[in-house]
Amino acid sequence: DQQVKQNSPSLSVQEGRISILNCDYTNSMFDYFLWYKKYPAEGPTFLISISSIKDKNEDGRFTVFLNKSAKHLSLHIVPSQPGDSAVYFCAATWSGTYKYIFGTGTRLKVLA
Amino acid sequence: DADVTQTPRNRITKTGKRIMLECSQTKGHDRMYWYRQDPGLGLRLIYYSFDVKDINKGEISDGYSVSRQAQAKFSLSLESAIPNQTALYFCATSVPGSREQYFGPGTRLTVT
Repeated sequence: DQQVKQNSPSLSVQEGRISILNCDYTNSMFDYFLWYKKYPAEGPTFLISISSIKDKNEDGRFTVFLNKSAKHLSLHIVPSQPGDSAVYFCAATWSGTYKYIFGTGTRLKVLA
Repeated sequence: DADVTQTPRNRITKTGKRIMLECSQTKGHDRMYWYRQDPGLGLRLIYYSFDVKDINKGEISDGYSVSRQAQAKFSLSLESAIPNQTALYFCATSVPGSREQYFGPGTRLTVT
């Protein structure tokens, strides 16, 4: 039972364009969502997060949007840079627990 | 120097062998976690520990055990390794009140 789904295993984008990575979830209890970036041979590193009381959070080139009614969140990267090429995981958690449910990841390739 | 380190980084072992994966952190975080990543399945929680005396099972703890030797050290053991434990293993840390986790670089374990 995959509670957090990233349906696109890979995505290619031209440098300078927008990258949009998507994540869907099924559990209404989730109230906090995170995005992690992972380079080869390294562990995931935290990128950006959003609480369920918000619908948008922005940090530089990275913006996360949350649509609670659709149980959908997306990560926008503008403009995309070659150094953004990595695997991106979304994760979800809920109050009162420190368990995290991770998606399967999307491999982003930014083409120079 | 990395804040969260894992040893070994790569290990090949045979079915039935006992193996220990070690995690050390210099971040001073109380909370530590062990995850495994399998292709197409994202990261799944094996065990987590909120302090030296508090250890909890995650969603896939069968076949694994852990030891929290000190605040900074959290070890994962496979008492009798089997091939379906072949995976990438990550250790992570966090602090109370924060939802972010900090991951080590991972240990690639192959059981033949």
